[in-house]
Amino acid sequence: GNSVTQMEGPVTLSEEAFLTINCTYTATGYPSLFWYVQYPGEGLQLLLKATKADDKGSNKGFEATYRKETTSFHLEKGSVQVSDSAVYFCALVASGGSYIPTFGRGTSLIVHP
Amino acid sequence: DSGVTQTPKHLITATGQRVTLRCSPRSGDLSVYWYQQSLDQGLQFLIQYYNGEERAKGNILERFSAQQFPDLHSELNLSSLELGDSALYFCASSVDNPSGNTIYFGEGSWLTVV
Repeated sequence: GNSVTQMEGPVTLSEEAFLTINCTYTATGYPSLFWYVQYPGEGLQLLLKATKADDKGSNKGFEATYRKETTSFHLEKGSVQVSDSAVYFCALVASGGSYIPTFGRGTSLIVHP
Repeated sequence: DSGVTQTPKHLITATGQRVTLRCSPRSGDLSVYWYQQSLDQGLQFLIQYYNGEERAKGNILERFSAQQFPDLHSELNLSSLELGDSALYFCASSVDNPSGNTIYFGEGSWLTVV
């Protein structure tokens, strides 16, 4: 079946540090890949997405590249801010089948001033 | 604002009771999804409706049921509640099924069972 594996958190960084949150997936066919962010007390918001191999999704300084050869979609940001503190979820929607999004367990990011 | 509206935002109820959570999808979205988020289980898919019909089932207990009405709003009914049902319940919507479509989440309904 389809699955998403994220690095366990929390990830704790100082402001302006470089961020990487690892995400790997298992799926049949060619899934679409997503990163969602959940700020405290809020719902999940779409952060970025990529729908085919080698696509790069980007938004608000965050980037992730769809790597089919390594089945990965790692999230990166060059300089994090305190306001980036949140939980980040990697997700996939497989091609064919039910199209139900499969989520990773989430990675908590804490950014200190 | 995702455009997905959920009510109530917070709910406290006793074990054995029944509650109904309501969701209004984004305008034009035909698909509605329900998810449960708890600390130990993460984000679990419960059920999906598409244009009024049940499309897919996930880890939904028999004590839970859902439906989607002609105006496309959806309700999740939770009965014979147990302490372990305390969680954040999300509704999400999308235009339709095809891979690549983004789903948009509401802000969730916090359910506390005491």
